[in-house]
Amino acid sequence: QSALTQPASVSGSPGQSITISCTGTSSDVGGYNYVSWYQQHPGKAPKLMIYDVGNRPSGVSYRFSGSKSGNTASLTISGLQAEDEAEYYCRSYTSADTYVFGTGTKVTVL
Amino acid sequence: QLQLQESGPGLVKPSETLSLTCTVSGGSISYSSYFWDWTRQPPGKGLEWIGSIYYSGRTYYSPSLKSRVTISIDTSKNQFSLKVNSVTAADTAVYYCASRIVGATTDWGQGTLVTVSS
Repeated sequence: QSALTQPASVSGSPGQSITISCTGTSSDVGGYNYVSWYQQHPGKAPKLMIYDVGNRPSGVSYRFSGSKSGNTASLTISGLQAEDEAEYYCRSYTSADTYVFGTGTKVTVL
Repeated sequence: QLQLQESGPGLVKPSETLSLTCTVSGGSISYSSYFWDWTRQPPGKGLEWIGSIYYSGRTYYSPSLKSRVTISIDTSKNQFSLKVNSVTAADTAVYYCASRIVGATTDWGQGTLVTVSS
């Protein structure tokens, strides 16, 4: 199974909105609603931000939202803040009863 | 919220077996809603899902690692373990254990760096 495709980097100014894409196939992203998103700051463990495409865990800011269309899932961060600068990874369940991560996207707050 | 802690050697020789244990606290590893995952991250690179285990012992492995990986569970100790055989420098990574409810990995260990070198 190949890693899901994410842009290497996305940037935005404070207060702006950005969207990170995560492209897979009909055997993973397109076939199931088990897409999750993780935020990772340098030297830290990943943190769950979105699960099941568009659900936000308790404690995660409302500024984070997720969606999916066909084989591409998206994470949108609205009202960008300095603390949002981090690496973001998507992950999807696959038809092989396994999971696969995306390639990762570095978010820079200008 | 569960707490997870990885433990094991930080240095493994090439061709030998990497062995790590994850100790779970704050809840039972036998809770039927949870799956127990291993994920790794080579230095400066992205996350890679290695595999997972259910309390019943049912395992799931990444196709790319399936031939070299074994995940086991010890419910009496509230622990689960990872073994990777025939390691090479490419297996050098930070290894994370984590708890997952269906598609959501909610709690992670702090990660442990394992270096493969002679």
